[in-house]
Amino acid sequence: GESVGLHLPTLSVQEGDNSIINCAYSNSASDYFIWYKQESGKGPQFIIDIRSNMDKRQGQRVTVLLNKTVKHLSLQIAATQPGDSAVYFCAEMRTGTASKLTFGTGTRLQVTL
Amino acid sequence: DGGITQSPKYLFRKEGQNVTLSCEQNLNHDAMYWYRQDPGQGLRLIYYSQIVNDFQKGDIAEGYSVSREKKESFPLTVTSAQKNPTAFYLCASSILADRPQHFGDGTRLSIL
Repeated sequence: GESVGLHLPTLSVQEGDNSIINCAYSNSASDYFIWYKQESGKGPQFIIDIRSNMDKRQGQRVTVLLNKTVKHLSLQIAATQPGDSAVYFCAEMRTGTASKLTFGTGTRLQVTL
Repeated sequence: DGGITQSPKYLFRKEGQNVTLSCEQNLNHDAMYWYRQDPGQGLRLIYYSQIVNDFQKGDIAEGYSVSREKKESFPLTVTSAQKNPTAFYLCASSILADRPQHFGDGTRLSIL
């Protein structure tokens, strides 16, 4: 596999503000995308997913936006809370061909009081 | 509660030793996966299984082996051929291959 840096990009946000975490995906044939949240020492936790026939999907306090033209995915978190502090990963999949998820390197979200 | 259980939480391996990491799920999921995570990095796929008695190599299968004799169990063996085994190992499952994967809380493997 490819080598990636040891230092994650970090986004610092004040409590109560909105957070936007960005992800550039690599495969134009990918048609399914997932955002995960990982807290220290734990496994990733599913947040929200979106398929390529949609541009936007909303959950509770979270919204995922998909721009297939530029292969870009974003996760918006409304009214960010201290409990949102974690590393966030996007993952992409081309369904129907072994359906393997490919993960990005992650972004660390730090919520300041 | 339904979920994925990985054990042990911490594991130490001596030089030349094989070790086996356990992964059990009671979600009735068909597909199961093993990933490796190194510090500050994303997850890399080691092996996956879409159905009992069948499994496929992922992107970094060398030095690892798996079995899938039961739907609920997908153990991973880290063999002595894996020269850099120190990492955080994550097991996941999904109801079908093109659905969200749900993860256990990992096993941290270190070398003595």
